[in-house]
Amino acid sequence: AQKVTQAQTEISVVEKEDVTLDCVYETRDTTYYLFWYKQPPSGELVFLIRRNSFDEQNEISGRYSWNFQKSTSSFNFTITASQVVDSAVYFCALRRRNQGGKLIFGQGTELSVKP
Amino acid sequence: GAGVSQTPSNKVTEKGKYVELRCDPISGHTALYWYRQSLGQGPEFLIYFQGTGAADDSGLPNDRFFAVRPEGSVSTLKIQRTERGDSAVYLCASSLAGTGNTGELFFGEGSRLTVL
Repeated sequence: AQKVTQAQTEISVVEKEDVTLDCVYETRDTTYYLFWYKQPPSGELVFLIRRNSFDEQNEISGRYSWNFQKSTSSFNFTITASQVVDSAVYFCALRRRNQGGKLIFGQGTELSVKP
Repeated sequence: GAGVSQTPSNKVTEKGKYVELRCDPISGHTALYWYRQSLGQGPEFLIYFQGTGAADDSGLPNDRFFAVRPEGSVSTLKIQRTERGDSAVYLCASSLAGTGNTGELFFGEGSRLTVL
């Protein structure tokens, strides 16, 4: 069975703090894809990153970075120097090979960044 | 339009009634997806269209739920004999053919359905 677990339901930080959002996944597939999406209060999900199972390189994009570790089945997301605009619900998701847009989402982590 | 448009943004109905939710995807996007998001949960896949046909409807919870996309653009999600458990935000997403495989879906703001 495929499953994504985001154990942190809510996180609250003060602006400029670094924060890491955890994601643990379960799959028996050897080929799969992992994603992070951001859901601001307006409701629409915004794509942040995709990583395939054969690429364990960490990625950095501005203040965002992602740490993919197959050995622990984790795909964690770090925001450096957080800002109030980062406040949102963040979802980690898993997709099986050849399943198009059928994503399996975690329960989400609500991040609140206070000024 | 610039993004995925969903109407209505809010719908309140009574148990047992019929409901239609509409999704207008980004122009040129051939793939369209419906997801359902209950309060405090992540979105759950319902159905995926490639063009006019449903490529995968494995997420539809039961036969009260049905979706169509007759001309390969606008899609309608139809719910018959609504139940209180159907209350959720229904999200629509679209993607260019093939890029859906990258997982980069473009989501609308959702239709919030409340069944009293």
